[in-house]
Amino acid sequence: GQQLNQSPQSMFIQEGEDVSMNCTSSSIFNTWLWYKQDPGEGPVLLIALYKAGELTSNGRLTAQFGITRKDSFLNISASIPSDVGIYFCAGRPASGTYKYIFGTGTRLKVLA
Amino acid sequence: ETGVTQTPRHLVMGMTNKKSLKCEQHLGHNAMYWYKQSAKKPLELMFVYNFKEQTENNSVPSRFSPECPNSSHLFLHLHTLQPEDSALYLCASSQEHGEKLFFGSGTQLSVL
Repeated sequence: GQQLNQSPQSMFIQEGEDVSMNCTSSSIFNTWLWYKQDPGEGPVLLIALYKAGELTSNGRLTAQFGITRKDSFLNISASIPSDVGIYFCAGRPASGTYKYIFGTGTRLKVLA
Repeated sequence: ETGVTQTPRHLVMGMTNKKSLKCEQHLGHNAMYWYKQSAKKPLELMFVYNFKEQTENNSVPSRFSPECPNSSHLFLHLHTLQPEDSALYLCASSQEHGEKLFFGSGTQLSVL
């Protein structure tokens, strides 16, 4: 079946550093969503991307829809302690399905 | 607050118990979903409802029984569960099939 490879699995960074993570697949996608999940909570939508090459920001977060339509990237600039959590990508394949495939998440820890 | 409310937040049940999870969305969406989130695994889609009609049963065991009385409410009825069913159960909604998903905070279920 279709899979999303999300990397890195985890990151430890210093406060103030920038963070990059990505999701890749062998399949083509029509939509990419990025979520953040705090412990004991559900995923919260951060950014939605709908077109190849699209670059969208939400505060210090910037996400891009890869031009090959097989990947997406999330960057966090000047990280702060509250950025701690698990970040998930979700992609809707171009095969016509309405169902999203989820990555396994990137666990981010920020050291003050 | 994502507009999707789940109760209870935590549930501990024995294998012979019957319990129900409840989800309510205040977003005016037409599609509702149940997902299962287990450690180290991507989110697994369980059931999908669109305009109150079930459109997806992702090979879920019959000990999980969904109910969607209207577009705003979704239930997951549980009976004779197994310990491996312990997980975070997430409800989500979207305006239409395939559009961005909004998640509730989840029910953390432990089966003893």
